[in-house]
Amino acid sequence: GDSVTQMEGPVTLSEEAFLTINCTYTATGYPSLFWYVQYPGEGLQLLLKATKADDKGSNKGFEATYRKETTSFHLEKGSVQVSDSAVYFCALSRRTPGRRALTFGSGTRLQVQP
Amino acid sequence: GAVVSQHPSRVICKSGTSVKIECRSLDFQATTMFWYRQFPKQSLMLMATSNEGSKATYEQGVEKDKFLINHASLTLSTLTVTSAHPEDSSFYICSARFENGVAGGSYEQYFGPGTRLTVT
Repeated sequence: GDSVTQMEGPVTLSEEAFLTINCTYTATGYPSLFWYVQYPGEGLQLLLKATKADDKGSNKGFEATYRKETTSFHLEKGSVQVSDSAVYFCALSRRTPGRRALTFGSGTRLQVQP
Repeated sequence: GAVVSQHPSRVICKSGTSVKIECRSLDFQATTMFWYRQFPKQSLMLMATSNEGSKATYEQGVEKDKFLINHASLTLSTLTVTSAHPEDSSFYICSARFENGVAGGSYEQYFGPGTRLTVT
């Protein structure tokens, strides 16, 4: 079945540091890939997405590239801010209609210190 | 962008009572909505898939008689936790799938803000 594996957290960084959160997936076919962010006390928000190989999703300074050869979708940001502190979830979705929902990774908590 | 709302955002109820949580897609129609449960510091676990006009599909281990789901319209799905117990206390999150009508589209999901249920 489909699965998503994320690096375990928490990840603690100083402000302006470089961020990488690893994500790899297992799925048949060509899934769409997503990064969601959950700020403290809030629901999930879509951060970025990519729907096909070599696509790069980007938003708010975050980037992730759909790498089919390595089945990865690592999240990166060049300079993190305190306001980026949140839990980040990698997820995939099959592109064909069906009843399956998103398959989520376990989440990675990011803590950015001033 | 697409907005999904949930009501209530927080609810406290006594053991043995039932609680209804509403999930609405505000500016788009969603033939499919999903209900997740999130335990503290853990990922989301899919409970069930709600399809408009048909019975919900429950994940293995989820009691359908305890977690009643009704998808009455293309913009509303409800989750009723019946005879709630303290172990049902959790963060319940719904999402609505936006099907953009484009072949091979991403079928992106939009999430509600969640409902924190506390059963005393």
